[in-house]
Amino acid sequence: AQSVAQPEDQVNVAEGNPLTVKCTYSVSGNPYLFWYVQYPNRGLQFLLKYITGDNLVKGSYGFEAEFNKSQTSFHLKKPSALVSDSALYFCAVSLSYNTDKLIFGTGTRLQVFP
Amino acid sequence: DAGVIQSPRHEVTEMGQEVTLRCKPISGHDYLFWYRQTMMRGLELLIYFNNNVPIDDSGMPEDRFSAKMPNASFSTLKIQPSEPRDSAVYFCASNRDHTDTQYFGPGTRLTVL
Repeated sequence: AQSVAQPEDQVNVAEGNPLTVKCTYSVSGNPYLFWYVQYPNRGLQFLLKYITGDNLVKGSYGFEAEFNKSQTSFHLKKPSALVSDSALYFCAVSLSYNTDKLIFGTGTRLQVFP
Repeated sequence: DAGVIQSPRHEVTEMGQEVTLRCKPISGHDYLFWYRQTMMRGLELLIYFNNNVPIDDSGMPEDRFSAKMPNASFSTLKIQPSEPRDSAVYFCASNRDHTDTQYFGPGTRLTVL
């Protein structure tokens, strides 16, 4: 079955330190990959996406992600975390047989401590 | 653009009542998606439309749920009769095509007592 996994329910990091939020997927073909962020009582906001091209994708708020086809991963990274980055992060992948649809991971809560 | 608009933002109702959630997608977007978010099940796609036509409703939980899109600027998700297990946050999202970002509305928090 096609799926996306976020292995960590929560990631804790000190402000100023680099952060990584992990995402792996199991989709045949060449998927489209997305990262979204959700702040409390808000809808999901787009951060970045990989469709094709350069494996390193840069997005909003200083975030970036690297598409690794051999490891089927699309980890979200930021060189220096801010307290304001604390939120719920979702990885999403399109289905190979229907690229209209996205399946979302279970989400990773990022907590950045001052 | 104002973004995706959803109403109401909060809805509290009693079991057995009919609930109607509303969504206005971003102008020019051909796709509209309805999602449900719960702690237990995460974010689930319920149904999506392309050019006002329902394409995939395989995520609709049961016959109590129905969705319509009478025109390009309006969609409804109806639950009749509602049950406590329907309590969740319901999101609407829209985009131009399958490579485009899905833009989410603020959600409707539904509580069924």
